[in-house]
Amino acid sequence: GAGVSQSPRYKVAKRGQDVALRCDPISGHVSLFWYQQALGQGPEFLTYFQNEAQLDKSGLPSDRFFAERPEGSVSTLKIQRTQQEDSAVYLCASSLLGGNQPQHFGDGTRLSIL
Amino acid sequence: GQQLNQSPQSMFIQEGEDVSMNCTSSSIFNTWLWYKQDPGEGPVLLIALYKAGELTSNGRLTAQFGITRKDSFLNISASIPSDVGIYFCAANYGGSQGNLIFGKGTKLSVKP
Repeated sequence: GAGVSQSPRYKVAKRGQDVALRCDPISGHVSLFWYQQALGQGPEFLTYFQNEAQLDKSGLPSDRFFAERPEGSVSTLKIQRTQQEDSAVYLCASSLLGGNQPQHFGDGTRLSIL
Repeated sequence: GQQLNQSPQSMFIQEGEDVSMNCTSSSIFNTWLWYKQDPGEGPVLLIALYKAGELTSNGRLTAQFGITRKDSFLNISASIPSDVGIYFCAANYGGSQGNLIFGKGTKLSVKP
């Protein structure tokens, strides 16, 4: 498709389970970002890739969060041993080159931890 | 962490009214952007600003990058019902720091 695609759109998991969220960026976009958006808040940065290199992971809240982009295209955000505070919308964005290039967002994955 | 102060938090519009919102920070940024987010969807880019003092329009939307590089505003002229939603300002330092910092949003609703 033409835009950023995320799957699944909704994910419900029990506390303690592992989850994996997928992002397909816009074709040809070098940079890929993950954000976490709590209810009623703006998105908050988690991590940033340029091609397959993870250049910044300073926003990941704990070592239970892990992201990868092994071939420089599709990315997966994994959360291990989920906790209730992990419930949020996880947004993926891509940009042509990174830096100050405009970022285009997918519709997100809404994660609910029971 | 770093925050952008966005105001107002919410406002009600009547069709045809002009709307104004702004974003301020204590830090200097190299890029300011404005996004709109509808329920259940991701933020959609409205306007991107790259230069201090820059004034850019996109249809009925006009945004400015503040001369101090610490603020930005967005105006919507002659509002229509489909303008309702949440508007976010965002900014970044550019260079190798590609991540965006977002405001908390301004929620536009229709006057009852």
